[in-house]
Amino acid sequence: EAQVTQNPRYLITVTGKKLTVTCSQNMNHEYMSWYRQDPGLGLRQIYYSMNVEVTDKGDVPEGYKVSRKEKRNFPLILESPSPNQTSLYFCASSLGGFTLNTEAFFGQGTRLTVV
Amino acid sequence: AQSVTQLDSQVPVFEEAPVELRCNYSSSVSVYLFWYVQYPNQGLQLLLKYLSGSTLVESINGFEAEFNKSQTSFHLRKPSVHISDTAEYFCAVIPTSYGKLTFGQGTILTVHP
Repeated sequence: EAQVTQNPRYLITVTGKKLTVTCSQNMNHEYMSWYRQDPGLGLRQIYYSMNVEVTDKGDVPEGYKVSRKEKRNFPLILESPSPNQTSLYFCASSLGGFTLNTEAFFGQGTRLTVV
Repeated sequence: AQSVTQLDSQVPVFEEAPVELRCNYSSSVSVYLFWYVQYPNQGLQLLLKYLSGSTLVESINGFEAEFNKSQTSFHLRKPSVHISDTAEYFCAVIPTSYGKLTFGQGTILTVHP
């Protein structure tokens, strides 16, 4: 089954404690992206990756890092989480950078709370 | 750059009533348009998309959307909603050449019995 898998689904952490949210896709997609969803703001892109070792900033990259060492994985790293990073996070993937196959597949989401 | 505006943050309706969720976009280049649906506690799922051809596109569960280039709109409609349509709906656009997927703020559709 084609899917994007995020872990964990729920996470409560304390300010300053480094954390990683994993994202894995099994569709051999080149393009992967992270979004955060906040009430009234919709989805905002954090980082995206066009292919292995190619990443770039989205609209709200501050406080986040990503890496793309393998095609299937695109982890989101919060080196020093702060309460304003409390949000619902989604990972998405697509073939060909949204030009050849313009459907994005989304993970189930990770609800992060930073206290 | 593109922007997407969903004109209603919340839309309450009664079961079997018609509904329209409004979406307007702004872009200096040609775009593809999408509607995604997010059911409670789930990720986003593609509902329908407009890439080219007929400006009226339909989903398998009775929703339809019409691309209006002159009004830069892509409103979503359903003639008769069900309780199970309760969800948050996102309109999104992406340039046809290259670019990122830009989402609207979302519209929460609540269907009451």
